[in-house]
Amino acid sequence: EDKVVQSPLSLVVHEGDTVTLNCSYEVTNFRSLLWYKQEKKAPTFLFMLTSSGIEKKSGRLSSILDKKELFSILNITATQTGDSAVYLCAVRPTGNQFYFGTGTSLTVIP
Amino acid sequence: IAGITQAPTSQILAAGRRMTLRCTQDMRHNAMYWYRQDLGLGLRLIHYSNTAGTTGKGEVPDGYSVSRANTDDFPLTLASAVPSQTSVYFCASSVLAGNEQFFGPGTRLTVL
Repeated sequence: EDKVVQSPLSLVVHEGDTVTLNCSYEVTNFRSLLWYKQEKKAPTFLFMLTSSGIEKKSGRLSSILDKKELFSILNITATQTGDSAVYLCAVRPTGNQFYFGTGTSLTVIP
Repeated sequence: IAGITQAPTSQILAAGRRMTLRCTQDMRHNAMYWYRQDLGLGLRLIHYSNTAGTTGKGEVPDGYSVSRANTDDFPLTLASAVPSQTSVYFCASSVLAGNEQFFGPGTRLTVL
């Protein structure tokens, strides 16, 4: 059965800290892994990863995939209160469906 | 309209009633999806449509039906609502099936 596990479940940090969020997966015939940020309402797309070892970067956020060890990490440096959200990881195996993890809830304290 | 819209924003429904959640996108995306989000379970795919005129079952399709008569609209129908269908429902779309998905604002549904 396809499975996506995110850790930690929740995290509380102070502004300026660096955080690392983890996403491990077990899927048949991996195609891609996506990261989303969910604040009050709809998830918003952050990154799509398909190849191992290639870092995707956007401002203070970056992500990398390890297809051998079956995981991805999302790093946020110099965190700000606006980074407070639930971060979701989703994996696409063969086919067009994505399987989502339950998310990591990040709270950044001023 | 810009992006994806969903209606209603929230709804309280008596068990046994029929309900249709509406989803419209104006991005001319080929693929559309319906998810439900429950605490501790994350987002789970209910139904999807890779292109207008086609639909497919996701992870949790029982009790739900969809149609895709045109590119823009993808309504989700609960034929006879039950309390376990209380959830937040998100519609999403992508340019092509398998690409990154863009989500609507969600519908909070409570079935009593």
